[in-house]
Amino acid sequence: GENVEQHPSTLSVQEGDSAVIKCTYSDSASNYFPWYKQELGKRPQLIIDIRSNVGEKKDQRIAVTLNKTAKHFSLHITETQPEDSAVYFCAAHNQAGTALIFGKGTTLSVSS
Amino acid sequence: SQTIHQWPATLVQPVGSPLSLECTVEGTSNPNLYWYRQAAGRGLQLLFYSVGIGQISSEVPQNLSASRPQDRQFILSSKKLLLSDSGFYLCAWTPLTGGNQPQHFGDGTRLSIL
Repeated sequence: GENVEQHPSTLSVQEGDSAVIKCTYSDSASNYFPWYKQELGKRPQLIIDIRSNVGEKKDQRIAVTLNKTAKHFSLHITETQPEDSAVYFCAAHNQAGTALIFGKGTTLSVSS
Repeated sequence: SQTIHQWPATLVQPVGSPLSLECTVEGTSNPNLYWYRQAAGRGLQLLFYSVGIGQISSEVPQNLSASRPQDRQFILSSKKLLLSDSGFYLCAWTPLTGGNQPQHFGDGTRLSIL
């Protein structure tokens, strides 16, 4: 089945710096890759997603890139702010395309 | 608009007791429904998903079960809870079209087993 690896598990940056989180997936048939942000004690919330027909998508300070050949995708956050501190999860569809398989998460800490 | 409700928000249960967590979705028909578990400080583990009434797929062997008695209702159950069942349980939904769609999560149930 689909397997999603996410790195790093923790990331600490200074306010204003950029942060990059990387994920790899195993199923070449996967074609949808969302990213979720989870604040402490809250539910995960979708922040950006990308489909396999594009290589990059941007939404203000957040961007996602996808390399289907290498089977990896990345989240880029620019000009980080303390409120960006949270756990970030990447995901890809399972083989049947019926459910998302999540990476283990990255705890991002932005210090001011 | 669509909304998803989970209850209870928190639950403390003794080892060996039964469990029933409920999730309902409003504002959509024929959704795909999911149960995930998140252990403290850990990732999201897919437990069950359902593409229709009475249709349940289990992703991991365990002492939990799921049922979908109505189109927009998804229930997670156990006959006898274990200490290892502690965690944050999240229900989620996607439109029936499924593929290439984000999952939307409920607020979760925090379950503590004593």
